[in-house]
Amino acid sequence: ETGVTQSPTHLIKTRGQQVTLRCSSQSGHNTVSWYQQALGQGPQFIFQYYREEENGRGNFPPRFSGLQFPNYSSELNVNALELDDSALYLCASSLVLGGTETQYFGPGTRLLVL
Amino acid sequence: SQQGEEDPQALSIQEGENATMNCSYKTSINNLQWYRQNSGRGLVHLILIRSNEREKHSGRLRVTLDTSKKSSSLLITASRAADTASYFCATDGSYYGQNFVFGPGTRLSVLP
Repeated sequence: ETGVTQSPTHLIKTRGQQVTLRCSSQSGHNTVSWYQQALGQGPQFIFQYYREEENGRGNFPPRFSGLQFPNYSSELNVNALELDDSALYLCASSLVLGGTETQYFGPGTRLLVL
Repeated sequence: SQQGEEDPQALSIQEGENATMNCSYKTSINNLQWYRQNSGRGLVHLILIRSNEREKHSGRLRVTLDTSKKSSSLLITASRAADTASYFCATDGSYYGQNFVFGPGTRLSVLP
């Protein structure tokens, strides 16, 4: 087990709705990254937070937003859901001290948009 | 576009055989990591190899890195049915804060 948890495990929403996914990082980890994984594909980087500030963003529109809190938890918010947002959403936490780090992944939240 | 590309896309072998998966990438890296994913669940970190390393071992896993060819290979020896999973390589950039870039993965099936 990686010590990273995510909630909920599964979620069904309809197009146009908003969703909040949650992640609890490993204690002491200062960085959290979020990924979207479509069926049969590799994870795609959404964004990364370091010490509660966004520290890099992938090719995702602004309706994907996030927060990182001092208690090692974080959120991914998606507004105006589209059918293509249906995917497995993974968070990964790491301790960045400069340079190389290993990311520890949670089990993911599977989102279905109807 | 994805940085890493695994090859083959799918691999089916018998228990006890060795499995080799390859990964190619496009830009300079600090390190390359291999992850395993079982049935659409979370990714499990297997091994990290730094850009100044050429080979690394961990149990039944052997990873090589050739930065001149921008490629890496993952060898699983004496495979078991429990090794059935998707395997991904992930590269990070050459400066702090650059995100991990994953390839599409190799789906390995180990038949009993």
